[in-house]
Amino acid sequence: GESVGLHLPTLSVQEGDNSIINCAYSNSASDYFIWYKQESGKGPQFIIDIRSNMDKRQGQRVTVLLNKTVKHLSLQIAATQPGDSAVYFCAASSNTGKLIFGQGTTLQVKP
Amino acid sequence: NAGVTQTPKFRVLKTGQSMTLLCAQDMNHEYMYWYRQDPGMGLRLIHYSVGEGTTAKGEVPDGYNVSRLKKQNFLLGLESAAPSQTSVYFCASSFSSFLGADGYTFGSGTRLTVV
Repeated sequence: GESVGLHLPTLSVQEGDNSIINCAYSNSASDYFIWYKQESGKGPQFIIDIRSNMDKRQGQRVTVLLNKTVKHLSLQIAATQPGDSAVYFCAASSNTGKLIFGQGTTLQVKP
Repeated sequence: NAGVTQTPKFRVLKTGQSMTLLCAQDMNHEYMYWYRQDPGMGLRLIHYSVGEGTTAKGEVPDGYNVSRLKKQNFLLGLESAAPSQTSVYFCASSFSSFLGADGYTFGSGTRLTVV
């Protein structure tokens, strides 16, 4: 079946450094991808999305890169701050049109 | 604030008891979803609705029922709770399709423990 997976369950970075969170998906027909941030005790919150006709999309301090050849996407956070500490999920569109979610990577920011 | 509201936030049930989780959204979204989130697993879709009066099964529907009598509300029912249903439940909504312009808007979750 379709799956979405994150490469590392936990990522620890120093405050001020850049963070890169990776995600792989299995369905080559997926054409829409989203990154969510989930803080403790809260629901997932939309960060940034990208469609398959793009390789890169930038937001405020975040960049999503999509490599369709190897079915991989990444989330880059520039100048990571303590407030960025959270669980990050990627999600990919499925054949039925709904989103398939990955397990999540916990980002820990060290002061 | 506009968004998705879930009630209750916490609940402890005994095995065999029933309960209903309520989700309300004030964004006039057509599509609504119920997910469960378990440690080490991604969000898994239980049931969803593409409009008032409609419901459909998701990935893990067994043991749950849903109703969408009003556009703004989506109810998730557990008829006879089991310990395997201990989880955090999230409701989400989206505007006009499965893949809205900004994905789904999620509620803050309901933490359910079945003992």
